[in-house]
Amino acid sequence: KAGVTQTPRYLIKTRGQQVTLSCSPISGHRSVSWYQQTPGQGLQFLFEYFSETQRNKGNFPGRFSGRQFSNSRSEMNVSTLELGDSALYLCASSLGAHRAKNIQYFGAGTRLSVL
Amino acid sequence: EDKVVQSPLSLVVHEGDTVTLNCSYEVTNFRSLLWYKQEKKAPTFLFMLTSSGIEKKSGRLSSILDKKELFSILNITATQTGDSAVYLCAVGGDNTDKLIFGTGTRLQVFP
Repeated sequence: KAGVTQTPRYLIKTRGQQVTLSCSPISGHRSVSWYQQTPGQGLQFLFEYFSETQRNKGNFPGRFSGRQFSNSRSEMNVSTLELGDSALYLCASSLGAHRAKNIQYFGAGTRLSVL
Repeated sequence: EDKVVQSPLSLVVHEGDTVTLNCSYEVTNFRSLLWYKQEKKAPTFLFMLTSSGIEKKSGRLSSILDKKELFSILNITATQTGDSAVYLCAVGGDNTDKLIFGTGTRLQVFP
């Protein structure tokens, strides 16, 4: 069974640009969550999607947005990039929070560098 | 404010040593505590704990949760160089996939 797939693996952008990251969950998983990982802040929750609906959102500015498609694939978008957006962006998928033993499995991440 | 605190931040040991990693939490509507191992990129799942006092084991790794005192420990016995990684503790709430992570414990195992 394929794991969580994130594309691209690496991105270099300049300040002011926008970027779109993609996440394909494990087959059968309907929930996708996104996290930002930086050396200073660790892993910070961005969003949670289930069946194309955003269920939860972290404390990030409106420049960060996301969506989920009917096949459970998800994208996140960051507009007007700032230097501080440089980070590893991780996607995790699970069967869904309603399940009793719900485990989130992570992709390898997208490393975003903003110059 | 929900928070997860891990200690120590960093640990350096020799192969064969036993280590104990700590995780304490203050999270409303606690549902589960998860341990992950992160070597290069993707955190890989180790354990999920939901009930107090029940030890989960996988080979040389084991973990236990104390819901009354709000903490968990991860034990690694007979450490190997392949155990070198950052170990992350995360807590999940009810009816959400949102995980609150600690800052991690960096374990380095030298031969």
